[in-house]
Amino acid sequence: AQSVTQLDSQVPVFEEAPVELRCNYSSSVSVYLFWYVQYPNQGLQLLLKYLSGSTLVKGINGFEAEFNKSQTSFHLRKPSVHISDTAEYFCAVRSSGGYQKVTFGTGTKLQVIP
Amino acid sequence: DAEITQSPRHKITETGRQVTLACHQTWNHNNMFWYRQDLGHGLRLIHYSYGVQDTNKGEVSDGYSVSRSNTEDLPLTLESAASSQTSVYFCASTCGVWEYYGYTFGSGTRLTVV
Repeated sequence: AQSVTQLDSQVPVFEEAPVELRCNYSSSVSVYLFWYVQYPNQGLQLLLKYLSGSTLVKGINGFEAEFNKSQTSFHLRKPSVHISDTAEYFCAVRSSGGYQKVTFGTGTKLQVIP
Repeated sequence: DAEITQSPRHKITETGRQVTLACHQTWNHNNMFWYRQDLGHGLRLIHYSYGVQDTNKGEVSDGYSVSRSNTEDLPLTLESAASSQTSVYFCASTCGVWEYYGYTFGSGTRLTVV
């Protein structure tokens, strides 16, 4: 079985400050990892993904994430946030091989303070 | 442009009534999914389909059903609505090589059961 843990339900940060949203996963096999963003009253959009290769993954809107296999983590970072980054962020994991389901974390609300 | 459309956006219904939520995609994706989003639970998979005439139960399928008669549509039916089914429902789709593209989500349907 696979699972995802997002320990922080809310993260307030001042505009232009850096931010890190934490994600830890568990799986007995190799995984694919994703971050999605949900703006108010909208569906989720894919922000970035890790499939294989380089452990540092760059996504849209200046976000990046680093896959750390030993710590089973996939934390999302941005060096300088904008007001427009205020949204809810979901980490997701999918085990490799065949038709596997995606498991989503419970989400982290990023509140950017002017 | 291709899109995935959910209707209605908002729905209020009474306990015990049958309700159907529509999902229509023009991406020509084989794989379609229904999730519900609840505070503290993230997104949980209700039902999914890998193609016409194929349907499968997810982790929270009790009280829900789906049918897939064509590629474009996967309607979700609540057989007898219960207050516990008050939630935001998201439809998603993806092509066969889904790990490379992630999901495409609709904008959601907010269902209130009174």
